[in-house]
Amino acid sequence: SQQGEEDPQALSIQEGENATMNCSYKTSINNLQWYRQNSGRGLVHLILIRSNEREKHSGRLRVTLDTSKKSSSLLITASRAADTASYFCATDSGAGGTSYGKLTFGQGTILTVHP
Amino acid sequence: SAVISQKPSRDICQRGTSLTIQCQVDSQVTMMFWYRQQPGQSLTLIATANQGSEATYESGFVIDKFPISRPNLTFSTLTVSNMSPEDSSIYLCSVEPSGGPGELFFGEGSRLTVL
Repeated sequence: SQQGEEDPQALSIQEGENATMNCSYKTSINNLQWYRQNSGRGLVHLILIRSNEREKHSGRLRVTLDTSKKSSSLLITASRAADTASYFCATDSGAGGTSYGKLTFGQGTILTVHP
Repeated sequence: SAVISQKPSRDICQRGTSLTIQCQVDSQVTMMFWYRQQPGQSLTLIATANQGSEATYESGFVIDKFPISRPNLTFSTLTVSNMSPEDSSIYLCSVEPSGGPGELFFGEGSRLTVL
């Protein structure tokens, strides 16, 4: 079954606004990662948060993780038109602390930022 | 980090034919991963390719349909055999250079359309 479920499926905002995407998962995890995909091309890793972390920042990105609720959120502040892309969460649930690359991806959120 | 080159970037194929996708990495990696992304969908892991051994396939994927080669630590191929329109997808090669619980690096993907 699909590990990660994301909402919303699509988000449309104006430049300068903040964008928040949510991800829920079903099993215990080692870490949760967020990726961006532009126009059906390759994925680019954005940020990784480990199961013992609650919040992480990287530039305009802020990720939170609530393992009790099995959920995570990705916040992009002061969005730009160049942030327009699909965003996927992915979970690492492998035994022994890692799945060694065998991630389970969510359905993704399509973000459109209007100039 | 890792730079991954995939060929072809896109192709249009006839039903019943086979196509081989190549993946070249700019550094030696132990494991390479092949993912499939069906239209408008998320990514699903097809198999893990280790150098010197047979690939490990995920549930729902079989070697006869998706044979994989891994002749050395920087190269792998995925063949999509006896294609049908249901095989129309983006096929993505990825690696985890750190060898541990970390980010995946993806190629740009190979977009196949089967008529």
